[in-house]
Amino acid sequence: ILNVEQSPQSLHVQEGDSTNFTCSFPSSNFYALHWYRWETAKSPEALFVMTLNGDEKKKGRISATLNTKEGYSYLYIKGSQPEDSATYLCALRGDTDKLIFGTGTRLQVFP
Amino acid sequence: DARVTQTPRHKVTEMGQEVTMRCQPILGHNTVFWYRQTMMQGLELLAYFRNRAPLDDSGMPKDRFSAEMPDATLATLKIQPSEPRDSAVYFCASGLAPGQSEQYFGPGTRLTVT
Repeated sequence: ILNVEQSPQSLHVQEGDSTNFTCSFPSSNFYALHWYRWETAKSPEALFVMTLNGDEKKKGRISATLNTKEGYSYLYIKGSQPEDSATYLCALRGDTDKLIFGTGTRLQVFP
Repeated sequence: DARVTQTPRHKVTEMGQEVTMRCQPILGHNTVFWYRQTMMQGLELLAYFRNRAPLDDSGMPKDRFSAEMPDATLATLKIQPSEPRDSAVYFCASGLAPGQSEQYFGPGTRLTVT
């Protein structure tokens, strides 16, 4: 059974702070790692899909890295803003179309 | 702007009633997923389809839940009979397979069973 773990569970930061969180997964049977952003009362929105060891992706102030050999991915937010407040989910794809989601990191950015 | 649509957005029903939730995937997407959001388990996969064929419904309570894709533009999730523990937000997502594309989520159906 694939297990995806995210840490921390929640994070409170001040506006302007940079932050990062971790997604850990079993390194065997890896096909892709997805990051989603999920605002309260909305639906998850795709941020990145990463497949290769050493991949780095960036979208504005948000970036992610991937280490498939050791089974982790980091998501970074530079200069957090209140609108970044959301739950950030990572999900692992194995050899099927299914995504196995972690329970997320809930980020709250205070002005 | 292509997006996944779900109806109804909210449903309140009494225990024992049948509930049907509908999803229209993005045109051209060949995989459809049904998820349930729960406090304890986050996003839980219930079932998914590729090219309208059910590939995995192991996450679904078989005695009361059923999922179908009568055509490429409609996926349904049915609960009969509904129970209070079924109260949750149900999301549909669609994507392209095989490949590494994202799944695109609908707005969800918030179900309350009293």
